[in-house]
This record gives sequence, C-alpha cells and structure tokens, in this order.
Amino acid sequence: AQSVTQLDSQVPVFEEAPVELRCNYSSSVSVYLFWYVQYPNQGLQLLLKYLSGSTLVKGINGFEAEFNKSQTSFHLRKPSVHISDTAEYFCAVAYGKLIFGQGTTLQVKP
Amino acid sequence: AAGVIQSPRHLIKEKRETATLKCYPIPRHDTVYWYQQGPGQDPQFLISFYEKMQSDKGSIPDRFSAQQFSDYHSELNMSSLELGDSALYFCASGRALLGEQYFGPGTRLTVT
Repeated sequence: AQSVTQLDSQVPVFEEAPVELRCNYSSSVSVYLFWYVQYPNQGLQLLLKYLSGSTLVKGINGFEAEFNKSQTSFHLRKPSVHISDTAEYFCAVAYGKLIFGQGTTLQVKP
Repeated sequence: AAGVIQSPRHLIKEKRETATLKCYPIPRHDTVYWYQQGPGQDPQFLISFYEKMQSDKGSIPDRFSAQQFSDYHSELNMSSLELGDSALYFCASGRALLGEQYFGPGTRLTVT
C-alpha cells in the first residue's frame, strides 16, 4: 500500500534562510511524486513533480526536490525563502488517485 | 491557460439537505478526481472518473454520488447532509498517463 509521511508538521524559518521540508513515502511499485502548496483559503497548486528521469526536480517559485529511491524520500528545498512562501505544503504520491501526507506549515518570519 | 472550474465556490446548507457541486475539467483531460479536505487536514480522495466511467472509489459515504457527463463536466451529489460534511471539496483533472493532477479552487461547504 502507498503512504506518505511528512516528518515536520510546522517549520519556522527566517526570511532569506534556506529551508527543507521532509517527505518519506512507502510504495511497492514505481511512483510518481508531487509537492503541492496551499495558501490560506485557496486551492492546491502544483509546485513540482517527479515522474521519471533526473532525480533532481526543479519547480516553480525557486523550489526543488530530490528523489531518493534508496531512502524513499522526496524532500523539498529552497535556498532562500520569502515571506510570501508562508503556506501549507503537501507531499503526495500518485496511485491513480493522490495520497497526501499530513502537510507541513511553513512559517516564514521577517 | 484554462484551469479547473468549480461551482459554487461557497455553499451553506442545513442538516438533512442536499447539495450538488459541479466541476469543469481542463479541456482534453481524460480523468476527473474529487477530494474532501476537512479543517486542518490533508485532502482525502473520494472518487474518480476516466473517460466518463468511474475508475476508483475512496472513502465516499453512501449518501454521496457522482457522475461525469458527456461534456466531461462532473457533479458530486451529497444528500442527507451532516455537520461533519462541512469541508472544502476539490475537483482535479489530469491525463491518466502523465499522472499529474491540477486542482480547482474548491467549494467550501458549510452545513449548519
């Protein structure tokens, strides 16, 4: 069965600092992996995706993620965050439907 | 670029009433998904359609039903509403072979 675990429920960070949001997945088959961002009272926006190929995936807004098959991880990183990055971030694995992690609240402080 | 359209954006209903949520997928997408997101929770899969046929079913109550029509729009029908049905309901569309899904803005359902 597929499952996703986001290891941090909240990540506080100062503006312009780097950040990593951690995601581990469990799957018995090849996976498609995604990161979505949800701003307050809004829908889910696709940040980036891993379908195959290069394990380093670049997305929108300066985010990137690295697929690590041996560690079954798909951590999201950004070298320098902005106040506007404050939002909820969801990691998801696709098995037809999307199975989401519990979400990580990124709080960027000035 | 066209996005997924959901209507209405907000809906207030009383207990035991019926609600219908509509979704208009991105053109040429062959798959539609419905998700429910409770307060402070991650989205939970309800049901999906591939080329207008139901393809998968999640934790969808028997009080809920859904269908996809010939023009590819989809409707989620919810009857005998309960307080616990208050949530954000998302529709997503995508192309099955590509695995990605694009979400609509959601319908916020409040049951009083």
